[in-house]
Amino acid sequence: EDKVVQSPLSLVVHEGDTVTLNCSYEVTNFRSLLWYKQEKKAPTFLFMLTSSGIEKKSGRLSSILDKKELFSILNITATQTGDSAVYLCAVEAGDKIIFGKGTRLHILP
Amino acid sequence: KAGVTQTPRYLIKTRGQQVTLSCSPISGHRSVSWYQQTPGQGLQFLFEYFSETQRNKGNFPGRFSGRQFSNSRSEMNVSTLELGDSALYLCASSYQVGPGYYGYTFGSGTRLTVV
Repeated sequence: EDKVVQSPLSLVVHEGDTVTLNCSYEVTNFRSLLWYKQEKKAPTFLFMLTSSGIEKKSGRLSSILDKKELFSILNITATQTGDSAVYLCAVEAGDKIIFGKGTRLHILP
Repeated sequence: KAGVTQTPRYLIKTRGQQVTLSCSPISGHRSVSWYQQTPGQGLQFLFEYFSETQRNKGNFPGRFSGRQFSNSRSEMNVSTLELGDSALYLCASSYQVGPGYYGYTFGSGTRLTVV
């Protein structure tokens, strides 16, 4: 059965800290891995990763995929209170998309 | 350009009733997917429509159904509502399906409460 597992489930850090969120997967017919940020309702798209070892970067956020070890990490440097959210990892496998349960990140001022 | 629009935003229904939720995708997007989000189960895939055809379906009972119209707008219907159907229902649209597309754009969701 296809599955996507995120860790940790929740994380509390102080503003300015760097955090690393993890996503591992076991799927057949992998196509891509997606990261989303969900603050209130609508998840917003962050990154799509299809190739191993190529870092995607957007401001203080970056992500990388390891297709051999079947995981991805999302890094956030110099965290701000506005980074507080649930971060969702999803994997496209064949015609399906499977979401992890998310990591709830809370940034303390 | 306008984002993905879901209506209504909030809904309260009683057990046994049925409900229809609506999703209007971004203009030009032909793929619409539906998800159920609950605190315990996270985000779970319901089904995906592309050009009025259901392409894929998640593991939900037959009480959950959907359709897509020629203008790509989609509706989701849940019949014989149960308390456990209380959830946030999210719709997402995409320009195309298949490798190379840049993920989905989500709507703000419909919060359904079954009492």
